[in-house]
Amino acid sequence: EAGVVQSPRYKIIEKKQPVAFWCNPISGHNTLYWYLQNLGQGPELLIRYENEEAVDDSQLPKDRFSAERLKGVDSTLKIQPAELGDSAVYLCASSKNLLGRSGTGELFFGEGSRLTVL
Amino acid sequence: GQQVMQIPQYQHVQEGEDFTTYCNSSTTLSNIQWYKQRPGGHPVFLIQLVKSGEVKKQKRLTFQFGEAKKNSSLHITATQTTDVGTYFCAGRGYQKVTFGTGTKLQVIP
Repeated sequence: EAGVVQSPRYKIIEKKQPVAFWCNPISGHNTLYWYLQNLGQGPELLIRYENEEAVDDSQLPKDRFSAERLKGVDSTLKIQPAELGDSAVYLCASSKNLLGRSGTGELFFGEGSRLTVL
Repeated sequence: GQQVMQIPQYQHVQEGEDFTTYCNSSTTLSNIQWYKQRPGGHPVFLIQLVKSGEVKKQKRLTFQFGEAKKNSSLHITATQTTDVGTYFCAGRGYQKVTFGTGTKLQVIP
């Protein structure tokens, strides 16, 4: 079974430039998450999808961040414009719902996309 | 909002010594998960605890969920160099999963 696939693995951009990250979750996983992880800290949720619906985007800085999950499969996360403080690893994860309850299964993470903003 | 803290932040142990990390939530949890992240890697699921007072074992790892479902612990017996990494708890509250701050374990051969 293929794992969660993310691209690109690394991205270096100058501030004020746009950037986009792509994630393909494990087949059959309804729930998709985007997390931000700063060095030495735990993952922080940006947005959670149930199929194509964003059910929790309360932590997503909507002035510059946007995400979509068209057709309820793969997803993109965009930052425009990027700021110095956005340098971090962006992790995508997916999970299978247990007993029909949203987001109750274990999270499978991708390798992450490491963003450096200069 | 829900906060999940872990202590200690760092732990250095001699190979063969035991290690314990503690996880505390500001709110009652419906379940708790533990993940391990190797240096340069991504978090990998270890286990999920659901019931109050639950104890689960995986070889040298013992996981506990507190009676009040607000705290949890991970204990590793006789650490090995392969145990190196950061251990995160992730607490599930009302419609939210919050990761802890993590405990970074270094094992000295």
